[in-house]
Amino acid sequence: QTVVTQEPSFSVSPGGTVTLTCGLSSGSVSTSYYPSWYQQTPGQAPRTLIYSTNTRSSGVPDRFSGSILGNKAALTITGAQADDESDYYCVLYMGSGIYVFGTGTKVTVL
Amino acid sequence: QVQLVESGGGVVQPGRSLRLSCAASGFTFSDYTIHWVRQAPGKGLEWVAVISYDGSNKYYADSVKGRFIISRDNSKNTLYLQMNSLRAEDTAVYYCATGYNYGYERWGQGSLVTVSS
Repeated sequence: QTVVTQEPSFSVSPGGTVTLTCGLSSGSVSTSYYPSWYQQTPGQAPRTLIYSTNTRSSGVPDRFSGSILGNKAALTITGAQADDESDYYCVLYMGSGIYVFGTGTKVTVL
Repeated sequence: QVQLVESGGGVVQPGRSLRLSCAASGFTFSDYTIHWVRQAPGKGLEWVAVISYDGSNKYYADSVKGRFIISRDNSKNTLYLQMNSLRAEDTAVYYCATGYNYGYERWGQGSLVTVSS
């Protein structure tokens, strides 16, 4: 069974930069997996940040950017703000209509 | 404005059935692939199922295959999830979300399903 792995947690200072990654238990993530990224605060529905590796969703500030770094998808937050403190999830399209969420990363801004 | 509103959640006994609905408004529902995504209490997000814009193609996560059925009625701008043979591990908030470029675009606020005796 495919597992999509993310760092459990990250801490970043206000104004700092943090890069979250999204990898596969076996194999490399490429643009063919159409990686996308979502932000979720407790008790709220997810919010779409990035789709198709690096395209920002409407209204998402440009301090959020997506890329492929090595064999993983990556989400970089540049100039972190207090309200960026959330859980972040990636999703990979595995083909044949199947999607898999990553394990999620809790980001703390302090 | 664009809206997705889930309904039909509640408490149900193990082995019983429940049907969720997702009512869409503010956009052309029949143009979009739609997904169900769930989140168990204190856990991460899990993709459940997807249906194509015209209902001709449906795909499921292994965890629900053979028990859940996704469907849609484009004349009513509504998505459904028929959940049969429910288990305790199906307890979760269920979200509907529109598909876009192999990701998700718009999300509903979710409907809580609790499977318990």
